Amino acid sequence: ELKVEQNPLFLSMQEGKNYTIYCNYSTTSDRLYWYRQDPGKSLESLFVLLSNGAVKQEGRLMASLDTKARLSTLHITAAVHDLSATYFCAVESVYTGNQFYFGTGTSLTVIP
Amino acid sequence: ETGVTQSPTHLIKTRGQQVTLRCSSQSGHNTVSWYQQALGQGPQFIFQYYREEENGRGNFPPRFSGLQFPNYSSELNVNALELDDSALYLCASSSARQGTYGYTFGSGTRLTVV
Repeated sequence: ELKVEQNPLFLSMQEGKNYTIYCNYSTTSDRLYWYRQDPGKSLESLFVLLSNGAVKQEGRLMASLDTKARLSTLHITAAVHDLSATYFCAVESVYTGNQFYFGTGTSLTVIP
Repeated sequence: ETGVTQSPTHLIKTRGQQVTLRCSSQSGHNTVSWYQQALGQGPQFIFQYYREEENGRGNFPPRFSGLQFPNYSSELNVNALELDDSALYLCASSSARQGTYGYTFGSGTRLTVV
C-alpha cells in the first residue's frame, strides 16, 4: 500500500518567517496534490503537481515535486496569521483507480 | 457551476444503527469518491463510483456500501454502526475527461456514533 508521510506534524511559526513542509511517499506516482483544511471545514485545493520538477506558486505558498526522490515540498514565505490551517498532501495512484492517499497533515499555527 | 453538496451536515446515531449520507456531485463530474476523516487524521479512501459502478475500494468492511445514480448523485450507507465510525465523511467528485485532475470536495457530514 502506498504510504504518505508529512513532517512536521505540528508547526508553530511567527509571522514574517519562512518554513517548509515535507511530503514523502513510497510508490512511484506523477500526481501530487496539496490541500488546505480549516477547523471543521472541508478540503480546499491549493496545488496540483503533475510532473517531475513541477513548481507552482500562489501568494505566499510555493509547492514543488521531485518524483525521483518521491518528495514534495510546500514552502511558506513571510507567514501571516491567515495561513493558520492544516495542510495535507495527497498522492494519486493511477494503479488503483485514481485513489488518493493522504498524508497525516501538518497543523500550522502562525503567531502574530 | 455548482459545487459538491452533502447532507446532512451533522448526524448523531446510536451504535448498531444504520445511516445514509448523501452527495450531489459538481455539474459535469461523473466520478464520485467517498472518504472518511477521523479526528486528527488525513482522509482515508472508502470507495469510488464511475457510471453507477464501484471501480475502487479502500480497506473498509462490507458494511460500508454505496450507490451512484444516473444524475451522478451518490449515497454512502453504513450498517451496524460502531463507535469508531465517528468521523467526517467527505464526498468528492471528479471528471474522467482527459486533462482534468483532482477532486472537488464537499463540506462533509460529521457523524457521531454514541
